[in-house]
Amino acid sequence: DIVMTQTPLSLSVTPGQPASISCKSSRSLLYSDGRTHLYWYLQKSGQPPQLLLYEVSRRFSGVPDRFSGSGSGTDFTLKISRVEADDVGIYYCMQSVDLPRTFGQGTRVEIK
Amino acid sequence: QVQLVQSGSEVRKPGASVKVSCAASGYKFTDWYIHWVRQAPGQGLEWVGWIDPNSGGPEYAERFQGRVTMTRDTSISTAYLELTSLKPDDAAVYYCAREGGLSYWGQGTLVTVS
Repeated sequence: DIVMTQTPLSLSVTPGQPASISCKSSRSLLYSDGRTHLYWYLQKSGQPPQLLLYEVSRRFSGVPDRFSGSGSGTDFTLKISRVEADDVGIYYCMQSVDLPRTFGQGTRVEIK
Repeated sequence: QVQLVQSGSEVRKPGASVKVSCAASGYKFTDWYIHWVRQAPGQGLEWVGWIDPNSGGPEYAERFQGRVTMTRDTSISTAYLELTSLKPDDAAVYYCAREGGLSYWGQGTLVTVS
């Protein structure tokens, strides 16, 4: 199975400041179709996860442009340019290049 | 709009079975795989498997092989997850989610094993 490792596991951010989460996979997420199958989700308290970014950097419908993604191969980063109170929750990365689909451990983001 | 609506909470004794449903609307049911993901209390996300609603063909995570069955009823655009021989550590919220990067999720079904 592909292991997904996120760092840090928790983050406390002042509103308006940037935040960054790293996700590393145990093997390349570049698929034979030329796309990199790395996704980012945010799970707010008591809710199901919601898709933020797909294929590393493509924002899902309705996702604010303060969220961005970068990376390739095995190293990826989610960045929030200016954290807002509504961004609180647990962020997960997930790979879909192989089965089973696997998730990172999650990064808890809170507001200072 | 795309919606996935799951059945309500369940309480089962160890060794029993549970069947959770996921009713889809707002898109053509047979066009997108349905995944099942679970989350134990205070824990992360774990992929259980998927079903192709078009063919009915499932794919299960190895650790659930032999205990899990995913089915669907295309006439009512509903997918099902059945887990047998329940153990206390099967207690979790079970989510269905639509393929396309798990872009849409059900609200979750709490399964308590006690």
